[in-house]
Amino acid sequence: SYELTQPPSVSVSPGQTARITCSGDALPKQYAYWYQQKAGQAPLLLIYKDTERPSGIPERFSGSSSGTTVTLTISGVQSEDEADYYCQSADSTGSHYVFGTGTKVTVL
Amino acid sequence: EVQLVESGGSVVRPGGSLRLSCAASGFTFDEYGMSWVRQAPGKGLEWVSGIDWMNGGRTGYTDTVKGRFTISRDNAKNTLYLQMNSLTAEDTALYYCARDKYSSSHYLGSDYWGQGTRVTVSS
Repeated sequence: SYELTQPPSVSVSPGQTARITCSGDALPKQYAYWYQQKAGQAPLLLIYKDTERPSGIPERFSGSSSGTTVTLTISGVQSEDEADYYCQSADSTGSHYVFGTGTKVTVL
Repeated sequence: EVQLVESGGSVVRPGGSLRLSCAASGFTFDEYGMSWVRQAPGKGLEWVSGIDWMNGGRTGYTDTVKGRFTISRDNAKNTLYLQMNSLTAEDTALYYCARDKYSSSHYLGSDYWGQGTRVTVSS
C-alpha cells in the first residue's frame, strides 16, 4: 500500500523557521495537503494543492513541492504552532487518499 | 455555521458490527464529498473511506477495511454513514467525518471535521 513518510519530530525555537518534509513516490503526480492537529482537537486544513492556503490560515504557513517530496514551512514559529502535522495525498490511481506518518512540532 | 456531528460509536466485541452516522448542517450537503478518517489511540490519522456528493456515488476504501466497511450517504437527511462489519481490535479508534471540498472535480482537501465518535473493539 502507498506510504507517505514524514520525520517523527521537529524542534524549533520561537521566531525561527520549521520545515516538515513528506516523501512519497506519487507526489510528482498527485497534489499534497497539510493538516495541523492540536492535542484533543480535530485536524485543521492548512495547505491544499501543494501550495494554496485556505482563508483564515496565517501567511506564516506555506507549502512547496519538489519531485517526490513536499514541504510545509512555518515561518516565525509561535508557541501556538506546537502540534502534530500530517501531509495527505492520493496514490498513483487517485482513488485512495493516505495520510503521512505525522510530525510532532515542539516549540522550545 | 458548518457542523458535523458523529454518533454511533461504542464498545463492541470482535466480529461485531456497528453503524456510524454523521449529521451535517450549515451547508448544502449534496454539493460536497465526504470522508471518514480514524485515529487509533496515540497514533496518526488514517483515511478510511470517501464518497462523492451523489447518493450512491463513487466510493473508495483503504485496503484494511475493504469488504468489511461500507460508506453511504442520504442527501435527503444530510447524513453520512459508515457500516462496519467483522470488527477487529485494529479498528479501535476515534472516527472523524470530514467534508471534502472540490472545485471542477479537483480535490481541495477536507475543510471541516467533526469531533469524532469513539469505537472500541474488545472482548
